[in-house]
Amino acid sequence: LAKTTQPISMDSYEGQEVNITCSHNNIATNDYITWYQQFPSQGPRFIIQGYKTKVTNEVASLFIPADRKSSTLSLPRVSLSDTAVYYCLVYPTGYSTLTFGKGTMLLVSP
Amino acid sequence: GAVVSQHPSWVICKSGTSVKIECRSLDFQATTMFWYRQFPKQSLMLMATSNEGSKATYEQGVEKDKFLINHASLTLSTLTVTSAHPEDSSFYICSAIGQGADYGYTFGSGTRLTVV
Repeated sequence: LAKTTQPISMDSYEGQEVNITCSHNNIATNDYITWYQQFPSQGPRFIIQGYKTKVTNEVASLFIPADRKSSTLSLPRVSLSDTAVYYCLVYPTGYSTLTFGKGTMLLVSP
Repeated sequence: GAVVSQHPSWVICKSGTSVKIECRSLDFQATTMFWYRQFPKQSLMLMATSNEGSKATYEQGVEKDKFLINHASLTLSTLTVTSAHPEDSSFYICSAIGQGADYGYTFGSGTRLTVV
């Protein structure tokens, strides 16, 4: 599986847009990019998944450049409840064991 | 969407006793389930992978005789921590993949195990 690198932590204020970038230089052709969110003492929760260009859902947007060697998770107008750890994972569809990196601890302040 | 229920959410047990954690897929058939362990301020570490009706595959360094995994049906997997010790205290999370599960992987809410 492709190794991912993302910032250890980020700080933001309520109402701001937050962009978390993930590097995955050795992404394979059949790999998808998936982001998960984890609150303390809870299991990870799926946020968004994409293959190329841009994907948007009701929670976030995912921007993927043409070379797919990085991706950016964009959270619009964050609130205090968005304080969590965000994991970027790269893996092919179908069965595959997931390897979690350290993730990015996002702290949203009032 | 796909839902995985994990029970109990927390448990305290005495050293030397065994504890069973259940993981159920509520609205899809989980052909494969995964068990993770997470220590404070650390990432999830995969412990084992289990396919329905087969023996679990354990990651290197995980004692299969200590962490017993059963995946007897397409909706239920259990993790039993045998002869628990304080160093087994951790947050245990299950995950499942199967038909009907959107985007593949759905995680349970986790179980906080404290061994005293």
